[in-house]
Amino acid sequence: GAVVSQHPSRVICKSGTSVKIECRSLDFQATTMFWYRQFPKQSLMLMATSNEGSKATYEQGVEKDKFLINHASLTLSTLTVTSAHPEDSSFYICSAGGTASNQPQHFGDGTRLSIL
Amino acid sequence: QQPVQSPQAVILREGEDAVINCSSSKALYSVHWYRQKHGEAPVFLMILLKGGEQKGHEKISASFNEKKQQSSLYLTASQLSYSGTYFCGTEITNDYKLSFGAGTTVTVRA
Repeated sequence: GAVVSQHPSRVICKSGTSVKIECRSLDFQATTMFWYRQFPKQSLMLMATSNEGSKATYEQGVEKDKFLINHASLTLSTLTVTSAHPEDSSFYICSAGGTASNQPQHFGDGTRLSIL
Repeated sequence: QQPVQSPQAVILREGEDAVINCSSSKALYSVHWYRQKHGEAPVFLMILLKGGEQKGHEKISASFNEKKQQSSLYLTASQLSYSGTYFCGTEITNDYKLSFGAGTTVTVRA
């Protein structure tokens, strides 16, 4: 069964709306989670590393104020896309685990975000 | 830095074999392989660690050539269920962050 749950699976909203996406690890405690963005037929691009109890680490080019990450517990990380615009439309995927080279990352089912 | 995957796409008949390559310009700590079906999350296949090794998962296996900074994924006697996009994720800086290649789309036909 799934070890990482992501919710919602799909969001359609108007431009200017803020959208929150949740990522939960079900079977284990995750001090670190990762947030990716994927455009159609393209690769997974790491946006940020979410750290429990501390600030997230953002990849170069990712706006911190645009993509707010909160990792308040060992099983939950949230990504909030603030004041979303059509160019923010994408497939957002979180992962948990993988905090050692020999450990896999387990991915959530992803959230398809469409901004009208 | 993003690894380079080849080929971009491959079409197979059931029972045929294929090889997918993943190359990096930097030294690697580990290589992770995932398969993603359309509209779904990537599913973990296997990890290969620095030190060079080969692993297998049913009829899917992989090798890691540390000197060449390259990994290859082997699909043997392909099945319809093998269809999907295969991504390699490479760990360069031993910080567990993965950079994913552009993906190889595999289509297996009956």
